Amino acid sequence: DAKTTQPNSMESNEEEPVHLPCNHSTISGTDYIHWYRQLPSQGPEYVIHGLTSNVNNRMASLAIAEDRKSSTLILHRATLRDAAVYYCIPPRSTGTASKLTFGTGTRLQVTL
Amino acid sequence: GAVVSQHPSWVICKSGTSVKIECRSLDFQATTMFWYRQFPKQSLMLMATSNEGSKATYEQGVEKDKFLINHASLTLSTLTVTSAHPEDSSFYICSARDFRTSGMLQETQYFGPGTRLLVL
Repeated sequence: DAKTTQPNSMESNEEEPVHLPCNHSTISGTDYIHWYRQLPSQGPEYVIHGLTSNVNNRMASLAIAEDRKSSTLILHRATLRDAAVYYCIPPRSTGTASKLTFGTGTRLQVTL
Repeated sequence: GAVVSQHPSWVICKSGTSVKIECRSLDFQATTMFWYRQFPKQSLMLMATSNEGSKATYEQGVEKDKFLINHASLTLSTLTVTSAHPEDSSFYICSARDFRTSGMLQETQYFGPGTRLLVL
């Protein structure tokens, strides 16, 4: 399984952009990078995923390094509702299912 | 978007009793669902993969006789914690794979809101 490394915690001011890094140096050429987040006392929710090129959706942007050994989740304007634990995950395929292995993630604090 | 619900949202039970947790996909069919467990201040740990119409696949170290999984329909999977003990107190979360995404490694999952179990 590909291993990921994320900072334990980050802080941001509201309305400011946030860049959440993830190191995944052991990722294989076919591994996608998925990002999920978990708000307090809730189940996780999907944020974004990508393979090689940068990706954008209504929630965030994902910038993937050219060598694919790292990626950065970008929240363009953090709000208090974005305070959550963010997980960077390369799913692993078992042939019949794609499984998610959650690491410790990055706890994002957003302040006024 | 796809919605996954869980019932109950929280449950308190006595040691030795069994507790059933339901996971439903509300507006889509889920041939595969997953069950996770999360202890306080820890990350989610995958317990098992639930497959409609067949036996669940358990992760290493998870007792299949203690955590019974039934996926009898395309919209419902249940997790029964048998003979629950205080150490089983945890946050149990289910998810369903998004059948609309193509390519297994691109599959995303929709998560339920979780069920908090407290065993006294």
